[in-house]
Amino acid sequence: DAKTTQPNSMESNEEEPVHLPCNHSTISGTDYIHWYRQLPSQGPEYVIHGLTSNVNNRMASLAIAEDRKSSTLILHRATLRDAAVYYCILLRSNYKLTFGKGTLLTVNP
Amino acid sequence: NAGVTQTPKFRVLKTGQSMTLLCAQDMNHEYMYWYRQDPGMGLRLIHYSVGEGTTAKGEVPDGYNVSRLKKQNFLLGLESAAPSQTSVYFCASSRYRVEAFFGQGTRLTVV
Repeated sequence: DAKTTQPNSMESNEEEPVHLPCNHSTISGTDYIHWYRQLPSQGPEYVIHGLTSNVNNRMASLAIAEDRKSSTLILHRATLRDAAVYYCILLRSNYKLTFGKGTLLTVNP
Repeated sequence: NAGVTQTPKFRVLKTGQSMTLLCAQDMNHEYMYWYRQDPGMGLRLIHYSVGEGTTAKGEVPDGYNVSRLKKQNFLLGLESAAPSQTSVYFCASSRYRVEAFFGQGTRLTVV
């Protein structure tokens, strides 16, 4: 399975932007980059996904490097509700959606 | 919109007992997944299915069986529960390579 590398934890202040990095140097041409988050005591929640181009939605933006070996999830204005574990996942053609350890984001008031 | 519904939400089993967890989705999704999450850990994929009548092993399949007889349902079975299977179980479903939707989880304790 394709491996991703994320920092164990990051900290941010409320109402400031947050950039969550993910390295995926073994990505193949057909792998989709997915981001999910898990709030305390809840199931995972989809955030965003992309293939080659940068993507925006109401929750976040996804910036994908030109060589696709890394990506960055951008939360434009962090709120306390954004405190969660964020998972970066490569979804391959075998459809296996496997989670790594993720990044624990702490948002300070 | 029910989305993904897991039954039951909580269960306590004795070692050696069997049980079936049900995952039902009403979005006509092809792909369905079962995960377990132990305290302080990430999600680990147990089994998954890419369509009705198909199943495949994930990262930690031992001790579990699954069936996908109907497209909307994905069943996870424990034939002989062990304390090591105490965990929170999540089910998810998705269409082809787009967002996956997760259930609310089943908290299982094996004593």
